[in-house]
Amino acid sequence: QKEVEQNSGPLSVPEGAIASLNCTYSDRGSQSFFWYRQYSGKSPELIMFIYSNGDKEDGRFTAQLNKASQYVSLLIRDSQPSDSATYLCAVNKGNTGKLIFGQGTTLQVKP
Amino acid sequence: GAGVSQTPSNKVTEKGKYVELRCDPISGHTALYWYRQSLGQGPEFLIYFQGTGAADDSGLPNDRFFAVRPEGSVSTLKIQRTERGDSAVYLCASSKRPSGGAANEQFFGPGTRLTVL
Repeated sequence: QKEVEQNSGPLSVPEGAIASLNCTYSDRGSQSFFWYRQYSGKSPELIMFIYSNGDKEDGRFTAQLNKASQYVSLLIRDSQPSDSATYLCAVNKGNTGKLIFGQGTTLQVKP
Repeated sequence: GAGVSQTPSNKVTEKGKYVELRCDPISGHTALYWYRQSLGQGPEFLIYFQGTGAADDSGLPNDRFFAVRPEGSVSTLKIQRTERGDSAVYLCASSKRPSGGAANEQFFGPGTRLTVL
């Protein structure tokens, strides 16, 4: 079992819809959780982080964390074609700075 | 302000050669990280520096890989006797906070694409 798991997709949604991206992790000691967006041929770009159970909103993005179930999700409201990218979930255990990444979910937003 | 910079952007080398990849972190960031990313995969942790010292090198695949950060700013990742399997994008990131905890926001450079022929 991988430490951080994501469905590779592609996840296809129509423009204006809500895109829901999910991630599960195996280590209950994980403390902070990050979502990165990566366009093809580019490096990862930090979108959001979350470390408390519940929801955290930033513009069109909402991160959700459920530590009991060991999952974290990212909702993108009013999806735009420019949101089409690979979304990487990353987990930090807190005892070191390293991030453990999932393989990423490819999102396609169709006009 | 300037972000993380990495040089070269592309490096093509032959099997068995030695390569050096350079990373210049965001000014004021004390923590620096190296990852590598293969096609279709998420970044894989290699090594993390807090200041000049390697705080965690558990991700280095073998002793052909070595990294330094002599003055606590610029870092160099060194790969000896390169193999075709070393081909990947090598990413560098930096952060303000020295370790994990509540938030360890890491900002990535553009990467160096290494191709070993």
